[in-house]
Amino acid sequence: SAVISQKPSRDICQRGTSLTIQCQVDSQVTMMFWYRQQPGQSLTLIATANQGSEATYESGFVIDKFPISRPNLTFSTLTVSNMSPEDSSIYLCSVVAGANTGELFFGEGSRLTVL
Amino acid sequence: DAKTTQPPSMDCAEGRAANLPCNHSTISGNEYVYWYRQIHSQGPQYIIHGLKNNETNEMASLIITEDRKSSTLILPHATLRDTAVYYCIVRVAMGYGNKLVFGAGTILRVKS
Repeated sequence: SAVISQKPSRDICQRGTSLTIQCQVDSQVTMMFWYRQQPGQSLTLIATANQGSEATYESGFVIDKFPISRPNLTFSTLTVSNMSPEDSSIYLCSVVAGANTGELFFGEGSRLTVL
Repeated sequence: DAKTTQPPSMDCAEGRAANLPCNHSTISGNEYVYWYRQIHSQGPQYIIHGLKNNETNEMASLIITEDRKSSTLILPHATLRDTAVYYCIVRVAMGYGNKLVFGAGTILRVKS
């Protein structure tokens, strides 16, 4: 299993500002995934964070808007840049903690409200 | 894109079995069926997964049809705490880098 901590758990931000979300895992993991969940919606994968290389972004998401860092095997950050009210969402970090099962573990998420 | 189809919502009486269907008609031979659930304001929680055999654990049972084009998640004795959104996902299981693509899921309401 894996224990994932995210910071901040929630925040209220002003339009045009940027916010960085931190994700800390209690064990070393190869890949970390960042998801977004807009109000009342399902989860949408933003990108896969690879240690030692650039993140891989899904269609509709770009590095300028959602820069990701992955400095080591237990930590990653996601920045939401130049925020607008449409960015109000829960952002979730997740990892695969067992190669034999492929089970994905999730953090509790960071709830952002953009005014 | 999500490769599964689920009913948008279902109701179940407390104490009864909850049977949640999922269609995955385009599943490939090396893709597994995963089920997760998300209780309000929490991160998704793994429930169970399977390839082609039926699976059971302490939380649920997973029944996969012989042609693997559909499956059913069974919560044998639903409680009020099982009220959640249930997601059926297909993916290649092995390895650390296989992403999960979530569909819309099924809202299960367990009622007393």
